Amino acid sequence: DTAVSQTPKYLVTQMGNDKSIKCEQNLGHDTMYWYKQDSKKFLKIMFSYNNKELIINETVPNRFSPKSPDKAHLNLHINSLELGDSAVYFCASTGVGRRHTEAFFGQGTRLTVV
Amino acid sequence: KQEVTQIPAALSVPEGENLVLNCSFTDSAIYNLQWFRQDPGKGLTSLLLIQSSQREQTSGRLNASLDKSSGRSTLYIAASQPGDSATYLCAALHTGNQFYFGTGTSLTVIP
Repeated sequence: DTAVSQTPKYLVTQMGNDKSIKCEQNLGHDTMYWYKQDSKKFLKIMFSYNNKELIINETVPNRFSPKSPDKAHLNLHINSLELGDSAVYFCASTGVGRRHTEAFFGQGTRLTVV
Repeated sequence: KQEVTQIPAALSVPEGENLVLNCSFTDSAIYNLQWFRQDPGKGLTSLLLIQSSQREQTSGRLNASLDKSSGRSTLYIAASQPGDSATYLCAALHTGNQFYFGTGTSLTVIP
């Protein structure tokens, strides 16, 4: 069983398009995240949701909009894609309370904007 | 704001050597520190999690230590193997369940 699963794994699209990346976790965790990994492999947080509520919203263009229909899902929708959006996007989740905050990551979605 | 740094950025060792990867953080008010492994083109695999009240954790050939007061964590890999080749990342957990990641150490173990 995959704990955190993302789809699609690869996404190639043209500039200006709108695309979505889906994420699901079956760990019963309350908190889910989206991270962006740039070409230098640095991971930077974009959003964090706790029980379907937005907790962290870093400086991200408003073309990026997360949606959490329930606490097991956190999808990322991107409007008007730009070349600079090309990166690997990772979804992650953590459990309840400080002692359960081991993070689990999905396999990533490699987005290429052409 | 928390800053997490990993040294060295890249490391190449012959098979069988013991090695240490370093992680330093500027804000000691962390809940825990987690070490991950990332293989090329893959996601992050959790290796070890150290709670803020703990000093170290061990799993097989891996041992991670945490010194909050000095803002440091180390990952010790014993008897390195070619299969250990990967990028190793540390991440510090803060208030609000936000993880701050280090810049990573790219490890190559030469057969």
